[in-house]
Amino acid sequence: GAGVSQSPSNKVTEKGKDVELRCDPISGHTALYWYRQSLGQGLEFLIYFQGNSAPDKSGLPSDRFSAERTGGSVSTLTIQRTQQEDSAVYLCASSLFQDGYTFGSGTRLTVV
Amino acid sequence: QKEVEQNSGPLSVPEGAIASLNCTYSDRVSQSFFWYRQYSGKSPELIMSIYSNGDKEDGRFTAQLNKASQYVSLLIRDSQPSDSATYLCAVNRANQGGKLIFGQGTELSVKP
Repeated sequence: GAGVSQSPSNKVTEKGKDVELRCDPISGHTALYWYRQSLGQGLEFLIYFQGNSAPDKSGLPSDRFSAERTGGSVSTLTIQRTQQEDSAVYLCASSLFQDGYTFGSGTRLTVV
Repeated sequence: QKEVEQNSGPLSVPEGAIASLNCTYSDRVSQSFFWYRQYSGKSPELIMSIYSNGDKEDGRFTAQLNKASQYVSLLIRDSQPSDSATYLCAVNRANQGGKLIFGQGTELSVKP
């Protein structure tokens, strides 16, 4: 596609429920990254994919967080048993080689 | 010590002035440096990349890199109110793929 597409744009969920966030990168971009940004904070790295493998998942906060990428394209970030501290904007980005990223518009997650 | 440090601001400059944004990084093996602009409620947008010591100019923007001092800056000439945003510095290290470490960002306000 023309840009990085994320869905949903907003998600309100009850504490304890599972959520899935989707990212569709720019066509042909081999690298895909997930970050999150809490209100007024910088970007916190979560995980990155090169193709379908995840060489670095060091930023995932706990085992409640997981991500996968299939077909070298779409990625899904899953948060199980959501907690209020998971509330943030989740940003996906893609890149070709090691150039700067193109970010999607993000998913705003609110856990109530 | 944070890997990437920026003054949080806000930095306030009058319209038409030069805005100077600064960033320091801790890891000497860092090799690629990026500046992103983030408007309130929006996702970050890449505005400059720099890979070697010296200056790189693009329109009203100049990025400066000094690897010996572990310092990168962004100058915005003829600042406009539309430049008011948060500016994020990001650093990539060798052997980490395209993973970027972001600073907390500097809020810039350009007053008409």
